[in-house]
Amino acid sequence: QKEVEQNSGPLSVPEGAIASLNCTYSDRGSQSFFWYRQYSGKSPELIMSIYSNGDKEDGRFTAQLNKASQYVSLLIRDSQPSDSATYLCAVNPYSGGGADGLTFGKGTHLIIQP
Amino acid sequence: NAGVTQTPKFQVLKTGQSMTLQCAQDMNHNSMYWYRQDPGMGLRLIYYSASEGTTDKGEVPNGYNVSRLNKREFSLRLESAAPSQTSVYFCASSDRGRRNTIYFGEGSWLTVV
Repeated sequence: QKEVEQNSGPLSVPEGAIASLNCTYSDRGSQSFFWYRQYSGKSPELIMSIYSNGDKEDGRFTAQLNKASQYVSLLIRDSQPSDSATYLCAVNPYSGGGADGLTFGKGTHLIIQP
Repeated sequence: NAGVTQTPKFQVLKTGQSMTLQCAQDMNHNSMYWYRQDPGMGLRLIYYSASEGTTDKGEVPNGYNVSRLNKREFSLRLESAAPSQTSVYFCASSDRGRRNTIYFGEGSWLTVV
């Protein structure tokens, strides 16, 4: 059974600090990894994708992938109140281009305190 | 660029009534999906369509049917609504492939009383 695990939170971080969000997955064959942000009452919005071991940076966001440990993380630098949202980790478990969708974690609720 | 459009946005149904959620995408994507999202349960896949003319069950298909009308449109039907189907429904689409990035519609809030 494919599983993606996240701490549900809430994770409370002071404004300007680094927020660190973590995710583990069960399927060793997983090839693609995504972070979505979801504001209350809105749909999930893609913010980062990562496919290879290591770090990928995009503005204030850094995604980190360690396939050996089956671990994905998202770092948000200089956290802003507008970053307060639920962050969903998602995994594509198929290497050949699976069309049956992503497996999502239940999300981590992040609160940035002004 | 509209992306993924789904209707209606809000609906209240009585137990036993039927309804269809409509979804269309303008990104020329091959794959389309219906997810439901419930508090504490996360996003769960109901049905998906890998390409025009094909549909497959996801994690929670019971009580639902789908139709892939053409490459753009993918509808979800509740034949006899039950209170357990009260949820937020998201339609999504993606280009198949290793990257398989999924893009979501704005959601449909359904309440069954």
